[in-house]
Amino acid sequence: DTEVTQTPKHLVMGMTNKKSLKCEQHMGHRAMYWYKQKAKKPPELMFVYSYEKLSINESVPSRFSPECPNSSLLNLHLHALQPEDSALYLCASSQERDTHGPQHFGDGTRLSIL
Amino acid sequence: GQQVMQIPQYQHVQEGEDFTTYCNSSTTLSNIQWYKQRPGGHPVFLIQLVKSGEVKKQKRLTFQFGEAKKNSSLHITATQTTDVGTYFCAGGNFGNEKLTFGTGTRLTIIP
Repeated sequence: DTEVTQTPKHLVMGMTNKKSLKCEQHMGHRAMYWYKQKAKKPPELMFVYSYEKLSINESVPSRFSPECPNSSLLNLHLHALQPEDSALYLCASSQERDTHGPQHFGDGTRLSIL
Repeated sequence: GQQVMQIPQYQHVQEGEDFTTYCNSSTTLSNIQWYKQRPGGHPVFLIQLVKSGEVKKQKRLTFQFGEAKKNSSLHITATQTTDVGTYFCAGGNFGNEKLTFGTGTRLTIIP
C-alpha cells in the first residue's frame, strides 16, 4: 500500500480536453514532486514544490500547469496535450526540501492522449 | 547537465545466481539513493548512502558508494523471483531538491 494517493489511475483524453491529475499525502511531508515516466525509461522530474511554493520547473511546456493548494495536495492541470505526452505520471513526496531523504511515490496515473 | 548512467541495461539471471548493477554519475554527488520498480508498479525507496566509501547491507542486498562519490553499486546475492524489477540509482546534491535518476537496470529471473 502506498502512502501517496494519486487519482485517477488511468486517463484517456483528446488533445483538446482539459483534465487534472490529483495527488495527496498525509505524512506531513513538505516537498512534493511530479515526474513523467515513459516505458522502460527512468522517471523524469517535471516540478518540485517546497512548502507549497514552486521551487523547480524543469522547463516543462505550459500545457502542464501544477498547483499546490495546501501542504497535502498537489494537482497537475492538463490542457491541449500532445500524443507524445502519453506516459505514466508519478507524484512523490519527501519530508525534507533537499534530497537527503527518501521520496515516496504514488501508484501513478497512466495517461493516454488520443 | 548532470547525467547518471547505469550498466547493464538488462540482466537475465538464473534463480539463485548473483546480480550486480553499477551506477556512474558525471558529477560528484552528496548522496545516492536506490529504488526498485516492479513491472507495472511505482519506484520504491530501498536505501540512501551519504558517506564516501559507505557500504550498507539489507539481507541479500549490498550497496556501495564510491570513494569519489561519483559511483555506486547494488549487489544481490542468490536472486529470487521476488527480485524481478528495474533498479534505479538516483543522485542528489546538497541544497537541491532534485534527484537525478539513473538509466536503470532491468532484472529478470529465470526460474
